[in-house]
Amino acid sequence: NFVLTQPHSVSESPGKTVTISCSRSSGSIASVYVQWYQHRPGSSPTTVIYEDKQRPSGVPDRFSGSIDTSSNSASLTISRLKTEDEADYYCQSTDRGNRIFGGGTRLTVL
Amino acid sequence: QVHLVQSGAEVKKPGASVRISCEASGYNFINYYIHWVRRAPGQGLEWVGIINPGGGSPKYAQKFQGRVTMTSDASTSTVYMEMNSLTSDDTAVYYCARWVYYFDFWGQGTLVTVSS
Repeated sequence: NFVLTQPHSVSESPGKTVTISCSRSSGSIASVYVQWYQHRPGSSPTTVIYEDKQRPSGVPDRFSGSIDTSSNSASLTISRLKTEDEADYYCQSTDRGNRIFGGGTRLTVL
Repeated sequence: QVHLVQSGAEVKKPGASVRISCEASGYNFINYYIHWVRRAPGQGLEWVGIINPGGGSPKYAQKFQGRVTMTSDASTSTVYMEMNSLTSDDTAVYYCARWVYYFDFWGQGTLVTVSS
């Protein structure tokens, strides 16, 4: 299996923009879709991006996803940050039917 | 509306087994795969495995093969995950989640505490 590597933590101020990266260790990032999940303490995870860049119904357009084949990574960008965006974020992909999660990134909005 | 309702918290001793249920409602149960994902304290999300309620063999993460069993009961729209030989490392919140192109609905989570 490949590994998805995320920064352990990021922080930014309300109203600003933050980008969280997800680097794939082997194989092309473009070969299988990447999803992004938000996980707040005490709640179940929710999807903010699926299939690299698609937003589920109800997710604000402040959330966007992309992939970069040159760096073999995916990115989640959150613009116009709100305090409610503070959470752990996970990228996820698939390898021969196995779901692979990144290690997660703690986003602090302060 | 879609709901996945999980069974309640469990406390187990090391070496014991645990069985968690996930009852689905609001959709055709056999048409969607169900996954199990866990999150241990201070750790990230970890995929445990997948079951097709419509039939076929479940698939488990290599780490859990031989120690986890997933089953489904179409008559009650319920999937089960049983894990044996528990250790303190298995202390976690376990989630069931429905897969479409992503995990679109999640259960509320079941806390499993393994402690002597």
